[in-house]
Amino acid sequence: LAKTTQPISMDSYEGQEVNITCSHNNIATNDYITWYQQFPSQGPRFIIQGYKTKVTNEVASLFIPADRKSSTLSLPRVSLSDTAVYYCLVGDRGSNYQLIWGAGTKLIIKP
Amino acid sequence: DTAVSQTPKYLVTQMGNDKSIKCEQNLGHDTMYWYKQDSKKFLKIMFSYNNKELIINETVPNRFSPKSPDKAHLNLHINSLELGDSAVYFCASRPSGPSYEQYFGPGTRLTVT
Repeated sequence: LAKTTQPISMDSYEGQEVNITCSHNNIATNDYITWYQQFPSQGPRFIIQGYKTKVTNEVASLFIPADRKSSTLSLPRVSLSDTAVYYCLVGDRGSNYQLIWGAGTKLIIKP
Repeated sequence: DTAVSQTPKYLVTQMGNDKSIKCEQNLGHDTMYWYKQDSKKFLKIMFSYNNKELIINETVPNRFSPKSPDKAHLNLHINSLELGDSAVYFCASRPSGPSYEQYFGPGTRLTVT
């Protein structure tokens, strides 16, 4: 079964770039690597996903090395409103249906 | 306009009772999920439902059963509630295809006393 590892928590300051890395092994070779954001008392919200190399959207960038054993979510110039829990999501290599969520990284942005 | 809705938002009940949580999505998605999020914020997939094919997480007790009257609805029935069932339950949906972009409902906070 695929396994994911994320830091439990991170702190940063407004205006900084924040990078959160998720390590994942035994993931499905043809599936996306996906990241979500969750605010208190809300459901997770999709941020970004990618298959390899680098993906960028209006919110974040996602870096995936060639071996796909990790992925790094990059949040540019964070603000207080980026304080949330961030999850990585991968597919398990052994099953077409098994989705494996990371345990989440609680990001706290300070003024 | 709500994409994925759940009712009720809060549910407080006693041990041994049977309860249901309803979920509806108006996005036309083919796949729906039920998740359990515990106090440590771990997200656990309980069920996924795609075109009448049900994929069950084998660790989920059979007291939990999903029921889908149509493609837009996936309800969760829980029998003989236990204290350990207290959690936030999320419904989610996504379209067919390789993307893992899911749309989550607002959650139902279940408290079993």
